Amino acid sequence: NAGVTQTPKFQVLKTGQSMTLQCAQDMNHEYMSWYRQDPGMGLRLIHYSVGAGITDQGEVPNGYNVSRSTTEDFPLRLLSAAPSQTSVYFCASRRGSWEKLFFGSGTQLSVL
Amino acid sequence: EDKVVQSPLSLVVHEGDTVTLNCSYEVTNFRSLLWYKQEKKAPTFLFMLTSSGIEKKSGRLSSILDKKELSSILNITATQTGDSAIYLCAVEVNTNAGKSTFGDGTTLTVKP
Repeated sequence: NAGVTQTPKFQVLKTGQSMTLQCAQDMNHEYMSWYRQDPGMGLRLIHYSVGAGITDQGEVPNGYNVSRSTTEDFPLRLLSAAPSQTSVYFCASRRGSWEKLFFGSGTQLSVL
Repeated sequence: EDKVVQSPLSLVVHEGDTVTLNCSYEVTNFRSLLWYKQEKKAPTFLFMLTSSGIEKKSGRLSSILDKKELSSILNITATQTGDSAIYLCAVEVNTNAGKSTFGDGTTLTVKP
């Protein structure tokens, strides 16, 4: 059972480039979300989804897009990367409302 | 705006010591509080506390929810070097399924 799988694990971008962080879960969870974690800070919610076809913004959505065409996948798109988006990104899923989160292993992103 | 504050931000102890980590919250329509442990990569779930379950224990770790004081503590007794990690507190509210608000975390270092 793979759980939550994130790719890539590391990525370096130049300012202005775009890319997609991939996230897939094999637990048939309805809820999926993306967080970013900056040094000395907790997790801040970027976007989340309560089911296929439904997404909503979190605390820090600017500069990021998401879509949820299937239950399994929840990709995060950076439209035009900026140095302020240098961070560690975590994808997470949960079986139902208010249940515990299962996290992917994270993506370390550097924007130069 | 929902707010979760953890203290202390960092803590250094020696093996065998007992530590207490704090989490306070200001949210509307509180539902549950969750504790996670983050070692090198992804956070992993420790406890969930709700109005109907205000105390949890697992081995040397225990946690209590104080609904009156709007706070929770995480206790670790007889600490070991393997307890070194970031401990994250997250709060869920009834009105917003799928969203978790995290504190900044407490970094615990246990020295031999």
